[in-house]
Amino acid sequence: QVQLQESGPGLVKPSETLSLTCTVSGGSVSSGSYYWTWIRQPPGKTLEWIGYIFYTGSTNYNPSLKSRVTISLDTSKNQFSLNLRSVTAADTAVYYCARVVGPAESWGQGTLVTVSS
Amino acid sequence: DIQMTQSPSTLSASVGDRVTITCRASQSIISWLAWYQQKPGKAPKLLIYGASSLQSGVPSRFSGSGSGTEFTLTINSLQPDDFATYYCQQYNSYSWTFGQGTKVEIK
Repeated sequence: QVQLQESGPGLVKPSETLSLTCTVSGGSVSSGSYYWTWIRQPPGKTLEWIGYIFYTGSTNYNPSLKSRVTISLDTSKNQFSLNLRSVTAADTAVYYCARVVGPAESWGQGTLVTVSS
Repeated sequence: DIQMTQSPSTLSASVGDRVTITCRASQSIISWLAWYQQKPGKAPKLLIYGASSLQSGVPSRFSGSGSGTEFTLTINSLQPDDFATYYCQQYNSYSWTFGQGTKVEIK
């Protein structure tokens, strides 16, 4: 059974870059069947899809975040990563990584990232 | 973007009740709709995909229906473990969107 685990700083300063990594076990990010995805949830609010990367390296991002987001894949470490540039307080959220095949069938536990000076 | 609108926002119910949550899409998403359950401090859990297919391991008291723009999630005989927030999500377009959530509370 696949497991996903987010890691990265819990506090980021405004205008800096938020960087998170998702480590996958029990499955391969090189699998041709899945979209490796980042989703976030601001406190008390609904879920927001950030973007995904396919095993080929092709990506797709939420248009509202596209100018600030990069998702990348590291097949040697079986990981994928999120970089979100120029963050503000509005980017404070629990960030989830997920494996998607249509719907998001497997999720990490989530990590809270707070943007504050 | 396709907008997803859930109703109600909050629902008060008792154990044993039959509960229905509605999700409307701003344009047709055929049957590319999923339902998730989320408990406080936890990641969402996939319940239903393809509008009506039950995810493996999910109790049969959960069911989904609908197509096009209108969808429902039904919980038959609500159990104590079912008090949670439920989200719909469309994956028809390449920009996935979620509903605002429905919190099912104890009456």
